[in-house]
Amino acid sequence: EAGVAQSPRYKIIEKRQSVAFWCNPISGHATLYWYQQILGQGPKLLIQFQNNGVVDDSQLPKDRFSAERLKGVDSTLKIQPAKLEDSAVYLCASSLETGRRNTIYFGEGSWLTVV
Amino acid sequence: TQLLEQSPQFLSIQEGENLTVYCNSSSVFSSLQWYRQEPGEGPVLLVTVVTGGEVKKLKRLTFQFGDARKDSSLHITAAQPGDTGLYLCAGASGMRFGAGTRLTVKP
Repeated sequence: EAGVAQSPRYKIIEKRQSVAFWCNPISGHATLYWYQQILGQGPKLLIQFQNNGVVDDSQLPKDRFSAERLKGVDSTLKIQPAKLEDSAVYLCASSLETGRRNTIYFGEGSWLTVV
Repeated sequence: TQLLEQSPQFLSIQEGENLTVYCNSSSVFSSLQWYRQEPGEGPVLLVTVVTGGEVKKLKRLTFQFGDARKDSSLHITAAQPGDTGLYLCAGASGMRFGAGTRLTVKP
């Protein structure tokens, strides 16, 4: 079974530029998550989709971050304009369902450096 | 906000030693999960505990959920270099993560 695919793997941009990350979840997984993991910290949930609807985006900085999930499959996360503090690994994850016994599968992450 | 505090933040031990890491919160969770993350990769789920007082074993790893469902521990017996990694606890079905314990096992 193919895992969660993310691209690009690495990206370096200057502050105030824009960047977009792409994610393809595991086939059949209805729930898709984007997390931000800053060096030395645990993942922080930015947004959760159920099919193509947003379940939770309470921690998404909406003034500069946006995300969409077209047709309930692939997803993109965009940052515009980027700030130095956005340097982090952006992890996409998916799960078959939600609930307390839910298994979340993570991609390898997209590493962003803002200079 | 349901915060999860993990301790210790860093742990470096010799191969063969035993260790315990902790995950604590002031909030009650319906379940807690433990993940291991290796450099350059995403976290991988190790176990989910859902019942207060529950103990689960995964080879040399023993996971316990506190009776009040506010804390959990992970005990590793006879640690091996392959156990090296970042151990993360998560609550709220993966929506809240602790900062992790970074474990290094030296051969």
